[in-house]
Amino acid sequence: DADVTQTPRNRITKTGKRIMLECSQTKGHDRMYWYRQDPGLGLRLIYYSFDVKDINKGEISDGYSVSRQAQAKFSLSLESAIPNQTALYFCATSDSGAWGTEAFFGQGTRLTVV
Amino acid sequence: GENVEQHPSTLSVQEGDSAVIKCTYSDSASNYFPWYKQELGKGPQLIIDIRSNVGEKKDQRIAVTLNKTAKHFSLHITETQPEDSAVYFCAASYSSNTGNQFYFGTGTSLTVIP
Repeated sequence: DADVTQTPRNRITKTGKRIMLECSQTKGHDRMYWYRQDPGLGLRLIYYSFDVKDINKGEISDGYSVSRQAQAKFSLSLESAIPNQTALYFCATSDSGAWGTEAFFGQGTRLTVV
Repeated sequence: GENVEQHPSTLSVQEGDSAVIKCTYSDSASNYFPWYKQELGKGPQLIIDIRSNVGEKKDQRIAVTLNKTAKHFSLHITETQPEDSAVYFCAASYSSNTGNQFYFGTGTSLTVIP
């Protein structure tokens, strides 16, 4: 089983619909992240959470919201989806610590808004 | 915030040749620099990383160098093989006990020609 699991893997939704992307992890990490990947733009941070009670906006948080339901679960919501939110979305986790620790990524969710 | 630039965006090499990908960062506080490989349909996976207290690290055919003064770091792949074909991302992170964010470059699509 994957350490970081994203559901669904693929989703097509209509403009204006609310949609939730879910992420769960078995690594026991406190830190979780949501990224968006677009061709030529790399990975851009949407939201991040360093523990269950901590939620922070990333560089492109407009139009998105998140919920950290438990240490292992971090969900991303699009309240009213629009076509330019069509992208590949990744959840990631990392361990805590003063020195850098790697980020572990899920398999991604390909979202298409029509 | 941190700004990471990555070049080139695409790179084609003959099998057996070397490949070099370069990144620059803007925040002198960044202290952790991972490199990720993303294969088609998968999430990024760490291939090598370097912390700011070292200048070079090697793992078999891959190596990373860091120049803190110039704020740049590079990935070197020697004796390239077709299975090295993928998208590679560099990242910079400032890690502390309270948290860390990862800032990614825009990616390099590497093609190894058999």
